[in-house]
Amino acid sequence: GAVVSQHPSWVICKSGTSVKIECRSLDFQATTMFWYRQFPKQSLMLMATSNEGSKATYEQGVEKDKFLINHASLTLSTLTVTSAHPEDSSFYICSAKGTGHGYTFGSGTRLTVV
Amino acid sequence: DAKTTQPNSMESNEEEPVHLPCNHSTISGTDYIHWYRQLPSQGPEYVIHGLTSNVNNRMASLAIAEDRKSSTLILHRATLRDAAVYYCILRENNQAGTALIFGKGTTLSVSS
Repeated sequence: GAVVSQHPSWVICKSGTSVKIECRSLDFQATTMFWYRQFPKQSLMLMATSNEGSKATYEQGVEKDKFLINHASLTLSTLTVTSAHPEDSSFYICSAKGTGHGYTFGSGTRLTVV
Repeated sequence: DAKTTQPNSMESNEEEPVHLPCNHSTISGTDYIHWYRQLPSQGPEYVIHGLTSNVNNRMASLAIAEDRKSSTLILHRATLRDAAVYYCILRENNQAGTALIFGKGTTLSVSS
């Protein structure tokens, strides 16, 4: 079946630094990738949608200059949290969709900003 | 996406069947009913989907009401590994390429 690899699984960073999260589709081409974040005891909240080679479309209230998304190839999308602050601590999840494939999710990245 | 309503939580005992309900009274004729589940500290995973007829796969069964205003995800023999949040999501077939939107889902607890 379709597999999406997300790294790192967890990361701790200092306030003010940047963190990059990678999402790779291992056995299919992901024409579209999605990024979600999830706070404790809450559901997934869509942050942005990215199509390969295009700029990401951000959901209302998500700062595009803070959450940089790159989808430069059909198998890789990255989310960079810039100038992270404690309130950015969350569980970040990517999802990939390819032609003929359903939605496959990564295993998530737990970000803790101290 | 059309709205779905699920109970916040349900409890089950190991090896017993579990019936997880979902109400979707405003479902349109072209909406597919999808179920995903999210294990603790994991990303969601696909469980099953259907349109009108009941569906079975290795993970679960999906029973869809004749009027399609409700559906039930059936886990035939719950295991401890089935403890998760289960999400019922409606999707039109032509929405491929747009994101799945998650509601609050049902948190299933399984006791041994």
